[in-house]
Amino acid sequence: ENVLTQSPGTLSLSPGERATLSCRASQSVSTNYLAWYQQKPGQAPGLLIYAASSRATGIPDRFSGSGSGTDFTLTISRLEPEDFAVYYCQQYGSSPLTFGGGTKVEIK
Amino acid sequence: QVQVVQSGAEVKKPGASVKVSCKASGYIFSGYAIQWVRQAPGQSLEWMGWINAGNGNTKYSQKFQDRVTITRDTSASTAYMELSSLASEDTAVYYCARGGRELLNFFDYWGQGTLVTVSS
Repeated sequence: ENVLTQSPGTLSLSPGERATLSCRASQSVSTNYLAWYQQKPGQAPGLLIYAASSRATGIPDRFSGSGSGTDFTLTISRLEPEDFAVYYCQQYGSSPLTFGGGTKVEIK
Repeated sequence: QVQVVQSGAEVKKPGASVKVSCKASGYIFSGYAIQWVRQAPGQSLEWMGWINAGNGNTKYSQKFQDRVTITRDTSASTAYMELSSLASEDTAVYYCARGGRELLNFFDYWGQGTLVTVSS
Protein backbone atom coordinates (compact mmCIF):
# COMPACT_ATOMS: atom_id res chain seq x y z
CA GLU A 1 0.00 0.00 0.00
CA ASN A 2 1.04 3.60 -0.54
CA VAL A 3 2.03 5.01 2.84
CA LEU A 4 1.63 8.77 3.29
CA THR A 5 3.83 10.63 5.79
CA GLN A 6 2.80 14.12 6.81
CA SER A 7 5.10 16.70 8.36
CA PRO A 8 5.34 18.43 10.65
CA GLY A 9 3.08 16.74 13.15
CA THR A 10 2.18 20.08 14.68
CA LEU A 11 2.58 23.59 13.28
CA SER A 12 2.33 26.51 15.73
CA LEU A 13 1.57 29.76 13.94
CA SER A 14 -0.21 33.06 14.44
CA PRO A 15 -3.20 34.35 12.47
CA GLY A 16 -2.03 36.04 9.29
CA GLU A 17 1.02 33.82 8.93
CA ARG A 18 1.68 31.38 6.10
CA ALA A 19 1.33 27.64 6.70
CA THR A 20 3.14 25.02 4.65
CA LEU A 21 2.17 21.38 5.17
CA SER A 22 3.97 18.45 3.57
CA CYS A 23 2.73 15.04 2.47
CA ARG A 24 5.22 12.46 1.19
CA ALA A 25 4.17 9.18 -0.41
CA SER A 26 6.12 5.92 -0.30
CA GLN A 27 5.27 5.33 -3.98
CA SER A 28 4.42 7.71 -6.78
CA VAL A 29 0.76 8.74 -6.59
CA SER A 30 -0.88 7.72 -9.83
CA THR A 31 -2.26 10.62 -11.88
CA ASN A 32 -1.51 12.92 -8.91
CA TYR A 33 -4.68 11.66 -7.29
CA LEU A 34 -4.04 13.35 -3.97
CA ALA A 35 -6.59 15.15 -1.81
CA TRP A 36 -6.42 17.31 1.30
CA TYR A 37 -9.05 17.44 4.04
CA GLN A 38 -9.57 19.71 7.04
CA GLN A 39 -11.00 18.38 10.29
CA LYS A 40 -12.07 20.44 13.27
CA PRO A 41 -12.70 18.91 16.72
CA GLY A 42 -15.88 16.87 16.86
CA GLN A 43 -16.55 17.28 13.15
CA ALA A 44 -16.22 15.15 10.05
CA PRO A 45 -13.39 15.92 7.64
CA GLY A 46 -14.15 18.34 4.79
CA LEU A 47 -12.63 18.32 1.32
CA LEU A 48 -10.25 21.18 0.51
CA ILE A 49 -8.18 20.08 -2.48
CA TYR A 50 -8.37 17.22 -4.99
CA ALA A 51 -6.12 16.14 -7.84
CA ALA A 52 -3.23 17.74 -5.94
CA SER A 53 -4.10 21.32 -6.83
CA SER A 54 -7.82 21.77 -7.58
CA ARG A 55 -9.81 23.58 -4.92
CA ALA A 56 -13.12 22.05 -3.93
CA THR A 57 -16.30 24.06 -4.30
CA GLY A 58 -16.47 27.00 -1.91
CA ILE A 59 -12.89 26.73 -0.66
CA PRO A 60 -11.21 30.15 -0.36
CA ASP A 61 -8.20 30.87 -2.55
CA ARG A 62 -5.88 31.22 0.44
CA PHE A 63 -5.75 27.39 0.29
CA SER A 64 -3.57 25.98 -2.46
CA GLY A 65 -2.16 22.58 -3.26
CA SER A 66 0.91 21.67 -5.25
CA GLY A 67 3.25 18.81 -5.99
CA SER A 68 3.48 15.65 -8.02
CA GLY A 69 4.85 12.12 -7.85
CA THR A 70 5.69 11.52 -4.21
CA ASP A 71 5.88 15.05 -2.75
CA PHE A 72 2.87 17.25 -2.16
CA THR A 73 2.26 20.49 -0.30
CA LEU A 74 -0.76 22.28 1.10
CA THR A 75 -0.23 26.01 1.59
CA ILE A 76 -2.47 28.38 3.53
CA SER A 77 -1.31 31.83 2.49
CA ARG A 78 -2.66 33.80 5.46
CA LEU A 79 -4.11 31.92 8.39
CA GLU A 80 -7.58 32.92 9.49
CA PRO A 81 -8.88 32.00 12.98
CA GLU A 82 -11.13 29.30 11.47
CA ASP A 83 -8.15 27.57 9.78
CA PHE A 84 -6.72 26.18 13.00
CA ALA A 85 -7.51 22.49 12.63
CA VAL A 86 -6.04 19.13 11.64
CA TYR A 87 -5.22 18.53 7.97
CA TYR A 88 -5.02 15.13 6.30
CA CYS A 89 -3.74 14.14 2.90
CA GLN A 90 -5.22 11.16 1.08
CA GLN A 91 -4.12 9.31 -2.03
CA TYR A 92 -6.75 7.78 -4.25
CA GLY A 93 -4.49 6.70 -7.08
CA SER A 94 -4.33 3.10 -5.97
CA SER A 95 -6.13 0.69 -3.71
CA PRO A 96 -6.18 0.62 -0.77
CA LEU A 97 -6.94 4.30 -0.45
CA THR A 98 -4.72 5.69 2.29
CA PHE A 99 -4.50 8.75 4.52
CA GLY A 100 -1.57 10.49 6.12
CA GLY A 101 -1.21 10.79 9.86
CA GLY A 102 -2.30 14.43 9.90
CA THR A 103 -0.80 17.83 10.68
CA LYS A 104 -2.29 19.90 13.46
CA VAL A 105 -2.16 23.65 12.87
CA GLU A 106 -2.44 25.33 16.24
CA ILE A 107 -2.46 28.91 17.43
CA LYS A 108 0.93 30.08 18.65
CA GLN B 1 -28.20 20.44 -1.38
CA VAL B 2 -26.23 17.24 -0.89
CA GLN B 3 -26.64 15.69 2.55
CA VAL B 4 -25.32 12.47 4.04
CA VAL B 5 -26.86 11.49 7.37
CA GLN B 6 -25.72 8.53 9.44
CA SER B 7 -27.44 6.50 12.13
CA GLY B 8 -26.82 7.13 15.79
CA ALA B 9 -24.19 5.97 18.25
CA GLU B 10 -23.95 2.30 19.16
CA VAL B 11 -22.58 0.39 22.14
CA LYS B 12 -21.71 -3.23 21.48
CA LYS B 13 -20.15 -6.11 23.37
CA PRO B 14 -17.05 -7.89 22.10
CA GLY B 15 -17.89 -10.49 19.50
CA ALA B 16 -21.07 -8.74 18.38
CA SER B 17 -21.80 -7.06 15.06
CA VAL B 18 -22.81 -3.50 14.26
CA LYS B 19 -24.65 -2.11 11.25
CA VAL B 20 -24.39 1.59 10.45
CA SER B 21 -26.63 3.31 7.93
CA CYS B 22 -25.87 6.26 5.68
CA LYS B 23 -28.77 8.07 4.02
CA ALA B 24 -28.03 10.34 1.09
CA SER B 25 -30.15 13.11 -0.36
CA GLY B 26 -29.85 16.02 -2.76
CA TYR B 27 -28.31 14.03 -5.61
CA ILE B 28 -28.89 10.93 -7.72
CA PHE B 29 -27.77 8.19 -5.34
CA SER B 30 -27.05 5.60 -8.03
CA GLY B 31 -24.74 7.97 -9.89
CA TYR B 32 -22.08 7.93 -7.20
CA ALA B 33 -20.37 5.66 -4.70
CA ILE B 34 -20.26 5.55 -0.93
CA GLN B 35 -16.99 5.04 0.87
CA TRP B 36 -16.55 4.05 4.53
CA VAL B 37 -13.73 5.36 6.72
CA ARG B 38 -13.12 5.01 10.44
CA GLN B 39 -11.22 7.07 12.99
CA ALA B 40 -10.12 5.61 16.31
CA PRO B 41 -9.85 8.08 19.22
CA GLY B 42 -6.98 10.49 18.61
CA GLN B 43 -5.95 8.69 15.44
CA SER B 44 -5.92 9.31 11.73
CA LEU B 45 -8.41 8.12 9.15
CA GLU B 46 -8.56 4.54 7.88
CA TRP B 47 -10.31 3.46 4.69
CA MET B 48 -12.56 0.41 5.05
CA GLY B 49 -14.35 -0.08 1.77
CA TRP B 50 -16.42 1.20 -1.13
CA ILE B 51 -19.69 0.48 -2.86
CA ASN B 52 -20.79 1.64 -6.28
CA ALA B 53 -24.34 2.70 -5.46
CA GLY B 54 -25.44 2.08 -9.04
CA ASN B 55 -24.39 -1.53 -9.66
CA GLY B 56 -23.62 -2.60 -6.09
CA ASN B 57 -20.00 -3.52 -6.76
CA THR B 58 -17.86 -3.48 -3.64
CA LYS B 59 -14.19 -3.36 -2.71
CA TYR B 60 -12.88 -3.82 0.82
CA SER B 61 -9.62 -3.04 2.52
CA GLN B 62 -7.71 -6.26 3.06
CA LYS B 63 -7.61 -5.44 6.77
CA PHE B 64 -11.39 -5.70 7.05
CA GLN B 65 -12.07 -8.11 4.19
CA ASP B 66 -13.26 -10.95 6.42
CA ARG B 67 -15.41 -8.86 8.74
CA VAL B 68 -17.04 -6.05 6.78
CA THR B 69 -20.02 -6.05 4.46
CA ILE B 70 -21.18 -2.95 2.62
CA THR B 71 -24.60 -2.91 0.97
CA ARG B 72 -27.03 -0.39 -0.41
CA ASP B 73 -30.75 0.08 -0.91
CA THR B 74 -31.24 2.31 -3.92
CA SER B 75 -34.97 2.74 -3.20
CA ALA B 76 -34.05 4.33 0.12
CA SER B 77 -30.86 6.08 -1.10
CA THR B 78 -29.12 4.43 1.81
CA ALA B 79 -25.88 2.53 2.21
CA TYR B 80 -25.01 0.22 5.07
CA MET B 81 -21.77 -0.95 6.65
CA GLU B 82 -21.82 -4.03 8.86
CA LEU B 83 -18.75 -4.98 10.88
CA SER B 84 -18.69 -8.31 12.69
CA SER B 85 -16.61 -9.95 15.44
CA LEU B 86 -16.14 -6.62 17.18
CA ALA B 87 -13.23 -6.08 19.55
CA SER B 88 -12.28 -3.15 21.74
CA GLU B 89 -9.88 -1.96 19.01
CA ASP B 90 -12.93 -1.34 16.80
CA THR B 91 -14.06 1.50 19.05
CA ALA B 92 -14.04 4.43 16.66
CA VAL B 93 -16.10 6.99 14.79
CA TYR B 94 -17.27 5.49 11.51
CA TYR B 95 -17.85 7.84 8.59
CA CYS B 96 -19.51 7.37 5.25
CA ALA B 97 -18.71 9.75 2.43
CA ARG B 98 -19.79 10.27 -1.15
CA GLY B 99 -17.25 9.50 -3.81
CA GLY B 100 -17.21 9.35 -7.55
CA ARG B 101 -18.68 6.24 -9.11
CA GLU B 102 -15.29 4.54 -9.46
CA LEU B 103 -13.24 3.28 -6.51
CA LEU B 104 -10.32 5.65 -7.08
CA ASN B 105 -11.94 8.90 -6.06
CA PHE B 106 -11.85 11.60 -3.42
CA PHE B 107 -14.68 12.10 -0.94
CA ASP B 108 -16.64 15.32 -1.40
CA TYR B 109 -19.50 15.02 1.13
CA TRP B 110 -19.19 13.30 4.48
CA GLY B 111 -21.71 12.06 7.00
CA GLN B 112 -21.56 13.36 10.54
CA GLY B 113 -20.00 10.15 11.85
CA THR B 114 -21.29 7.32 14.05
CA LEU B 115 -19.51 6.50 17.28
CA VAL B 116 -19.27 2.77 17.86
CA THR B 117 -18.10 1.79 21.32
CA VAL B 118 -17.11 -1.81 21.99
CA SER B 119 -17.06 -2.63 25.66
CA SER B 120 -17.91 -5.56 27.88
